[in-house]
Amino acid sequence: NAGVTQTPKFQVLKTGQSMTLQCAQDMNHEYMSWYRQDPGMGLRLIHYSVGAGITDQGEVPNGYNVSRSTTEDFPLRLLSAAPSQTSVYFCASSASPPGTTEAFFGQGTRLTVV
Amino acid sequence: TQLLEQSPQFLSIQEGENLTVYCNSSSVFSSLQWYRQEPGEGPVLLVTVVTGGEVKKLKRLTFQFGDARKDSSLHITAAQPGDTGLYLCVIKSGGSNYKLTFGKGTLLTVNP
Repeated sequence: NAGVTQTPKFQVLKTGQSMTLQCAQDMNHEYMSWYRQDPGMGLRLIHYSVGAGITDQGEVPNGYNVSRSTTEDFPLRLLSAAPSQTSVYFCASSASPPGTTEAFFGQGTRLTVV
Repeated sequence: TQLLEQSPQFLSIQEGENLTVYCNSSSVFSSLQWYRQEPGEGPVLLVTVVTGGEVKKLKRLTFQFGDARKDSSLHITAAQPGDTGLYLCVIKSGGSNYKLTFGKGTLLTVNP
């Protein structure tokens, strides 16, 4: 079982570059989310989706875009990378609204912006 | 904004010792989850508690939900090196069905 797959696992960007972090799940989950994890800050929600075609902002959405054209995929786009976006990014999916059901996380993408 | 405080932030113990970590909220919550995150991996769900006063056991791990629904604890008996990881408590963010609030976690190291 693949579960939630994130690519790439590591990435170095120069300030101002753009890139897309990929996230795919094979569990037919409606709910998907993107988080960033920074030392001393815990996981913070960037964007989330409650189904194909439906996305909304989380706690720290500035500088990021998302789209959800299919149930399986939920890419996160960095528009113009900044050093403040250096972080570990996690994608998660769940069958029901998160909090009372299990959220499945990918292995993360470690992004460094120089 | 609902806050989750976890304590201690760091804990380093020897194999075989017992330990308890805590999670406290600034307001009442309807449910709480505990996740464990190993280095280089994403968090993995350990348990979900929904009833005030609830106690759940998962092998050597005992999870308790406070009667007032504002706190929770995780007790590990006879810790093993495989228990090493970041323990995160998580609740639904107030006013939203879709957003989660994570505590900052307790980083546990169990030395052989």
